Amino acid sequence: EVQLVESGGGLVQPGGSLRLSCAASGFTFSSYAMSWVRQAPGKGLEWVSAISGSGGSTYYADSVKGRFTISRDNSKNTLYLQMNSLRAEDTAVYYCAKIPTTVFRYYFDYWGQGTLVTVSS
Amino acid sequence: QSALTQPASVSGSPGQSITISCTGTSSDVGGYNYVSWYQQHPGKAPKLMIYDVSNRPSGVSNRFSGSKSGNTASLTISGLQAEDEADYYCSSYTSSSTYVVFGGGTKLTVL
Repeated sequence: EVQLVESGGGLVQPGGSLRLSCAASGFTFSSYAMSWVRQAPGKGLEWVSAISGSGGSTYYADSVKGRFTISRDNSKNTLYLQMNSLRAEDTAVYYCAKIPTTVFRYYFDYWGQGTLVTVSS
Repeated sequence: QSALTQPASVSGSPGQSITISCTGTSSDVGGYNYVSWYQQHPGKAPKLMIYDVSNRPSGVSNRFSGSKSGNTASLTISGLQAEDEADYYCSSYTSSSTYVVFGGGTKLTVL
């Protein structure tokens, strides 16, 4: 059974940093691209970033480019999102999502339960 | 404002069929067969229902179907059931630098 468990969310001040983690199990982690998708409170979904199975290719939404960094440790079956220069508009539940191929395909077949990031002073 | 346009709400009675539209442009929905649909119940993670316009993942009921015409994609749910009441989001690849765009979501109410 595919399981994705996010952690690392919390309250952070504007301009601060936070690192999210996503522990994966139930599939061969290194064989699949992974992604982060966020959802602001009461709002719709917004794609944030993706990374290939090898970690050699990364992709970002314009809204986070230059501030967020996606990475993965295939030896630990873990996906990361380093978030710097956080803004109030980054407040959201952040979902880790699996992509069904090793390269970035544009849909997500399994999702974690999410971790809430709140950016506020 | 979301890149893809969906109706805010739709409703139907049990057993009926409903269709949710998702309108984009030739840079996303109209230009590629990379439209997907997600179901989200309150407080839960999204669930993939349709990918590549009309393909259903294993385990998803065949009451759910997808299609596309021009710049508009559609999700049809036939034989509505109470458990179908949820928010539905469309998504598409986009040739812009943002790669993936979502619709604003549609709340389905089963009367």
